[in-house]
Amino acid sequence: AQSVSQHNHHVILSEAASLELGCNYSYGGTVNLFWYVQYPGQHLQLLLKYFSGDPLVKGIKGFEAEFIKSKFSFNLRKPSVQWSDTAEYFCAVNAGNYGGATNKLIFGTGTLLAVQP
Amino acid sequence: DTEVTQTPKHLVMGMTNKKSLKCEQHMGHRAMYWYKQKAKKPPELMFVYSYEKLSINESVPSRFSPECPNSSLLNLHLHALQPEDSALYLCASSQEGYGGGPMVGQETQYFGPGTRLLVL
Repeated sequence: AQSVSQHNHHVILSEAASLELGCNYSYGGTVNLFWYVQYPGQHLQLLLKYFSGDPLVKGIKGFEAEFIKSKFSFNLRKPSVQWSDTAEYFCAVNAGNYGGATNKLIFGTGTLLAVQP
Repeated sequence: DTEVTQTPKHLVMGMTNKKSLKCEQHMGHRAMYWYKQKAKKPPELMFVYSYEKLSINESVPSRFSPECPNSSLLNLHLHALQPEDSALYLCASSQEGYGGGPMVGQETQYFGPGTRLLVL
């Protein structure tokens, strides 16, 4: 069964600090990887996604993530965080549909990021 | 327009009540989803509809009954719920769902703001 691990449950940073949030998944086949963000009082929205090709993907608001297949990881990074980045971040994996109805997005437990001004 | 709307925003119900949650999207998406999110937990998939047909039921208790009247609407009918069913219920939609073949797992799911349900 697929699973997603986010080891950092809470992260506190000062503005302008660099951010890296860890995400590891367990699935032996081809996966599609996502990072979603949930700002306080708002709905989940997509930050970025990876399917294939260049393992370094860029998303909105200056975020990027690197897919490392050998490590089953898809870590999220941002060189310099802002107070407005305070939110909960979810990594998710979808093994897609290969002949069956398996379109299932599985979320990690989330990382709560607090950026102090 | 990438908006998924959900009503009501908040719902309080007793264990003997019957209520319904509603979700709507006008993006022309053919797949719609219900997720349940407990406090401090990630969203967990409940149901997937693709082309108005139920394609995934994640062993959800029968007191939750989904309905997809058309490609834009998704309902979740609630009956005889338990206090442990209190949670945020999220609706999402994506382009094709199951009907999109192997590429479906690459689809972005667009989420609504959720309905916060309290069962007394």
